[in-house]
Amino acid sequence: KNQVEQSPQSLIILEGKNCTLQCNYTVSPFSNLRWYKQDTGRGPVSLTIMTFSENTKSNGRYTATLDADTKQSSLHITASQLSDSASYICVVSARRQGNKLTFGTGTQLKVEL
Amino acid sequence: EAGVVQSPRYKIIEKKQPVAFWCNPISGHNTLYWYLQNLGQGPELLIRYENEEAVDDSQLPKDRFSAERLKGVDSTLKIQPAELGDSAVYLCASSLSSYNSPLHFGNGTRLTVT
Repeated sequence: KNQVEQSPQSLIILEGKNCTLQCNYTVSPFSNLRWYKQDTGRGPVSLTIMTFSENTKSNGRYTATLDADTKQSSLHITASQLSDSASYICVVSARRQGNKLTFGTGTQLKVEL
Repeated sequence: EAGVVQSPRYKIIEKKQPVAFWCNPISGHNTLYWYLQNLGQGPELLIRYENEEAVDDSQLPKDRFSAERLKGVDSTLKIQPAELGDSAVYLCASSLSSYNSPLHFGNGTRLTVT
């Protein structure tokens, strides 16, 4: 069964600090891995999409890494801001299944002063 | 570009009543998705359309849920009759047909069944 597990479930950090969120998956065969940011009461917004051949991709202060061999990904947030407070969802796409997406349950990040 | 538009934003109904949600995707996006999201969980796919064809509705509870995408643009999702367990956020998303295309989500409809 395709699964995506994220850790930690929740995280509180001080403004200006860095943090790293983890994603482990068992989706096979792998097509791509996505990170989404979801603010409270809003729909998810795409941050990055990485294919098998990409091991890092940045979007501003967000940097995602992918290790397709160990089936792990991380999302690193640099110099956090209050507006980074949100749920971060890891999503993995499976090839040959209509590119069906498997969503993780998200990491709830809170950035405090 | 205009984003994915969903309405209504909130809906409160009594159990056994019908309810309908509407979605207008981004212009040019052939693929449209309806997801259900419970609090603290990731979205769960209900149905995926390629143009006007439902290509994946395996997770749609067809005894009470129905969906349509007329002319391959707007879509509606209906529940009849609603149950208490249907309380959730219903998200619509659209994308280009490419497997690497990001999904663009609307802000969802929060349904409360009392």
